[in-house]
Amino acid sequence: EAGVAQSPRYKIIEKRQSVAFWCNPISGHATLYWYQQILGQGPKLLIQFQNNGVVDDSQLPKDRFSAERLKGVDSTLKIQPAKLEDSAVYLCASSLVWGSFGEQYFGPGTRLTVT
Amino acid sequence: QKEVEQDPGPLSVPEGAIVSLNCTYSNSAFQYFMWYRQYSRKGPELLMYTYSSGNKEDGRFTAQVDKSSKYISLFIRDSQPSDSATYLCAMSRSGPGNQFYFGTGTSLTVIP
Repeated sequence: EAGVAQSPRYKIIEKRQSVAFWCNPISGHATLYWYQQILGQGPKLLIQFQNNGVVDDSQLPKDRFSAERLKGVDSTLKIQPAKLEDSAVYLCASSLVWGSFGEQYFGPGTRLTVT
Repeated sequence: QKEVEQDPGPLSVPEGAIVSLNCTYSNSAFQYFMWYRQYSRKGPELLMYTYSSGNKEDGRFTAQVDKSSKYISLFIRDSQPSDSATYLCAMSRSGPGNQFYFGTGTSLTVIP
């Protein structure tokens, strides 16, 4: 079974530029999560999708971050404009069903550096 | 106060040692408790999860939950160099779709 795919793996941009990350979850997984992991901290949930609908985006900085999951499969997370404090690893995870705790499968992450 | 507290370490032990990793939490509504292992430049992978209080064993790994003290532990017996990684605890409330709350992670190095 293929895992969660993410691209790019690394990205360096200047502040005020925009950037987009892509995630392809495990085939058949209905729930998709985007996390932000700042160096030395645990992952923080940004947004959670159930199929193509948003379940929880309470911690997403909506003035600069946006995410979509068209057709309920792959997803894109965008930052526009980026700030220095957005430097982090952006992790995508998926699970088979909504609420299947403990069965989130993570991708390798996209490491973003904002200069 | 953070929802989940975890000592970041770093923790360095000789091969074969017993390792104890711990987290405390403040929200008594948490019922599901998980341990993830994260190798450098990789995403977290689930090691174990437990529901409510009690112990769970899987090979060299044992997870313990003490809800009365709001304290969870992961024990690693006969530690191996391949266990060198960051260990993250995570927990969530009951019910579907609830978000996970992660600790900051403990960095472990097992020295051959």
